[in-house]
Amino acid sequence: AQSVTQLDSHVSVSEGTPVLLRCNYSSSYSPSLFWYVQHPNKGLQLLLKYTSAATLVKGINGFEAEFKKSETSFHLTKPSAHMSDAAEYFCVVRKRQAGTALIFGKGTTLSVSS
Amino acid sequence: EPEVTQTPSHQVTQMGQEVILRCVPISNHLYFYWYRQILGQKVEFLVSFYNNEISEKSEIFDDQFSVERPDGSNFTLKIRSTKLEDSAMYFCASSASTDSGNTIYFGEGSWLTVV
Repeated sequence: AQSVTQLDSHVSVSEGTPVLLRCNYSSSYSPSLFWYVQHPNKGLQLLLKYTSAATLVKGINGFEAEFKKSETSFHLTKPSAHMSDAAEYFCVVRKRQAGTALIFGKGTTLSVSS
Repeated sequence: EPEVTQTPSHQVTQMGQEVILRCVPISNHLYFYWYRQILGQKVEFLVSFYNNEISEKSEIFDDQFSVERPDGSNFTLKIRSTKLEDSAMYFCASSASTDSGNTIYFGEGSWLTVV
């Protein structure tokens, strides 16, 4: 069965410094992986997705993630944090067989200070 | 950009009452979903719906829950007799297909409080 583990429940950075949100996955076959973001009082917005094409995936707002099969990781990064990046981030894996359900990690709260 | 819309944004109901949460998926999408997030916990899959029938459901989605597409645009989640533990944010979502890389678009959620 697939699962994802977000290694940090809360990450704090200063504006202009790099962001790293860590995610490890477990899957018996090549997974589809996603990062979603949830700003306060907003819905879940797709940041980026990996679907077995390029291992380095670029998303919106300057975020990117690298799929590393050897490490079973899909960490989310951004070179320079902005105040507007403060939100909840979810690493998500999609079931490949017998259904279409998304399996969410517990989420990482990103705080950005000035 | 097209979006999934949900109503109400927040509902308070008494235990044992029936609740209907409404969603308007993106117009050309064919697959519809409900997820929920209990405060402080993970977002959990409830049910997926295609071609006017449930295609997949989780063990959370018991007989108290039902879904319906009453017309060409709305998709509803009904909870027949609410319990305190049903208090959660409920997200509706839709997608154009079930290809593994296809994006699932989420609404802003309906916050249900059962008292």
